[in-house]
Amino acid sequence: NAGVTQTPKFRILKIGQSMTLQCTQDMNHNYMYWYRQDPGMGLKLIYYSVGAGITDKGEVPNGYNVSRSTTEDFPLRLELAAPSQTSVYFCASRESGAGLAKNIQYFGAGTRLSVL
Amino acid sequence: DAKTTQPNSMESNEEEPVHLPCNHSTISGTDYIHWYRQLPSQGPEYVIHGLTSNVNNRMASLAIAEDRKSSTLILHRATLRDAAVYYCIPSGFNKFYFGSGTKLNVKP
Repeated sequence: NAGVTQTPKFRILKIGQSMTLQCTQDMNHNYMYWYRQDPGMGLKLIYYSVGAGITDKGEVPNGYNVSRSTTEDFPLRLELAAPSQTSVYFCASRESGAGLAKNIQYFGAGTRLSVL
Repeated sequence: DAKTTQPNSMESNEEEPVHLPCNHSTISGTDYIHWYRQLPSQGPEYVIHGLTSNVNNRMASLAIAEDRKSSTLILHRATLRDAAVYYCIPSGFNKFYFGSGTKLNVKP
């Protein structure tokens, strides 16, 4: 079971460069999420999606863009990387519907990004 | 969004029970109480969640106060693998707001 797969695992960017963090899930989940986690802190929601073609902002969306063209993929785009975006990025997905078991978020292993 | 208060850290001996408290006095009537944990260098993983009644699963138990303003995650027999940061998240299912959590240290 692959679950939620994030690539790359590590990346170093220079200030002003752009990149796309990839996230894929093979569980046919409608909901997908992007979080960032700064050292010693909890996770902060960047963007989320409730299905293909639908995205919405979370707590800290500035400096990021997302798209959701398929159920499986939810890429996160950094257009002009800044040192403040140095963080660990986590993607998650969950099934939608009623019932406790259908509302569990499954997380990827994360992408560690440094902007220098 | 409901604010949460959790101890920054707690310590337990291996094979003893652990009670991790969480205060969420501003929880709304429709919010579930979710608990996730994050092992070192990993993404968070689901532990348990509930609405009003106490809940049990193979990992833990969740005790919810009658007024729902607090809850306690119970690990019945802590193991070294349970050393992690535990997050209490009162929320609907759409958006999760993680606080700083409680770092649990388990001593052999």
